[in-house]
Amino acid sequence: LAKTTQPISMDSYEGQEVNITCSHNNIATNDYITWYQQFPSQGPRFIIQGYKTKVTNEVASLFIPADRKSSTLSLPRVSLSDTAVYYCLVGDPTGGFKTIFGAGTRLFVKA
Amino acid sequence: EAGVTQFPSHSVIEKGQTVTLRCDPISGHDNLYWYRRVMGKEIKFLLHFVKESKQDESGMPNNRFLAERTGGTYSTLKVQPAELEDSGVYFCASSLGQSLSYEQYFGPGTRLTVT
Repeated sequence: LAKTTQPISMDSYEGQEVNITCSHNNIATNDYITWYQQFPSQGPRFIIQGYKTKVTNEVASLFIPADRKSSTLSLPRVSLSDTAVYYCLVGDPTGGFKTIFGAGTRLFVKA
Repeated sequence: EAGVTQFPSHSVIEKGQTVTLRCDPISGHDNLYWYRRVMGKEIKFLLHFVKESKQDESGMPNNRFLAERTGGTYSTLKVQPAELEDSGVYFCASSLGQSLSYEQYFGPGTRLTVT
């Protein structure tokens, strides 16, 4: 199972762009990269998913280099409500995320 | 449309007792997953239902845990007898299908405390 490594925490200010990088050196050919966001007392919430290059949706962008050994979640112009824990998951999500979630990155957005 | 709901939100029981957690997936979602985060550790997969069938239960920790999904709608996760190390947050998730275009929607979790 691919193991992921993320920074434990990050601080930012409102309006800034935040980039959270996740390392996954052992990613397998069939693995996808999925990011989830979790607020206190809530379950994780899907943000974005990709396989290679760049994926963008209304919430974030996901950058994946050619070797796929890392990925970067980019949150444009964060607000206070983006304060949460962000998890990077690598695996085949169709059968459940059997790869561990990891500790995630705790993002704290300040005014 | 209602999201994934879990009941109870919090349960406190004594070691050796039995607890049953319930998950109601989003209506029409055939795929249902259970995860848990024990204290201080990461969220880990427990099992996956497709309708009423257990597709994968490789993450179930031991035979004190029993998951059911009769009728393919809601699911229950029973812990009997509960041990101290079972304390944690149990999440349920559901998805419409198994392809990558179907994201998993998580419930708020049930916090289980075994004393």
